[in-house]
Amino acid sequence: EVKLVESGGGLVQPGGSLRLSCVVSGFSFSSYWMYWVRQAPGKGLVWVSRIYDDGSRTDYADSVKGRFTISRDNAKNTLYLQMNSLRVEDTAVYYCARFHSGGYWGQGTLVTVSS
Amino acid sequence: QAVVTQEPSLTVSPGGTVTLSCGSSTGPVTSSHYPFWFQQKPGQAPRTLIYDTGDKHSWTPARFSGSLLGGKAALTLSGALPEDEADYYCLLFYSGGVVIGGGTKLTVL
Repeated sequence: EVKLVESGGGLVQPGGSLRLSCVVSGFSFSSYWMYWVRQAPGKGLVWVSRIYDDGSRTDYADSVKGRFTISRDNAKNTLYLQMNSLRVEDTAVYYCARFHSGGYWGQGTLVTVSS
Repeated sequence: QAVVTQEPSLTVSPGGTVTLSCGSSTGPVTSSHYPFWFQQKPGQAPRTLIYDTGDKHSWTPARFSGSLLGGKAALTLSGALPEDEADYYCLLFYSGGVVIGGGTKLTVL
């Protein structure tokens, strides 16, 4: 069974940092590109970032470029999202996902940026 | 970055048929965009119904189908049930990443 479990969310002040993690199981993690998607309260889904299977390439939405860094540890079956210079508008539930060969989502972790 | 467009809202009668569409600002949607369709109910994580235009997961009800129609990706629901009331999102792949549409709020009434 494919499982993705996010953690690391919480309350942080504007300008602060947070690192999200996503531990996966049930498939060969090192064979798949992985994604982060977020959803602000009452809003739609928005793609944030993606990383190639071997970590050799990363892509970001314009809204987070230069502030967020996606990475992965294939030995630990874990995907990360380092979020720096956080803004109020980054408040959202953050989901990790695998889209290739079918779409699988985690349950999400809530990030709240507020003073 | 491309913009992916969906109907903001649609209504279908119980037992009826409805088609949701997903368009791209860059031109016709093709199989090379590998269209995905997700269903999301309040308080829940999204769930993938359709991937790669028309492929289904084991949990996808048979009444849902995906296709390309008139230059757009399409999700057709045939025989709507009250439990199909939800938000539906499409996703398209581009060279620089993926773009998710704004979602369609489907009401079964």
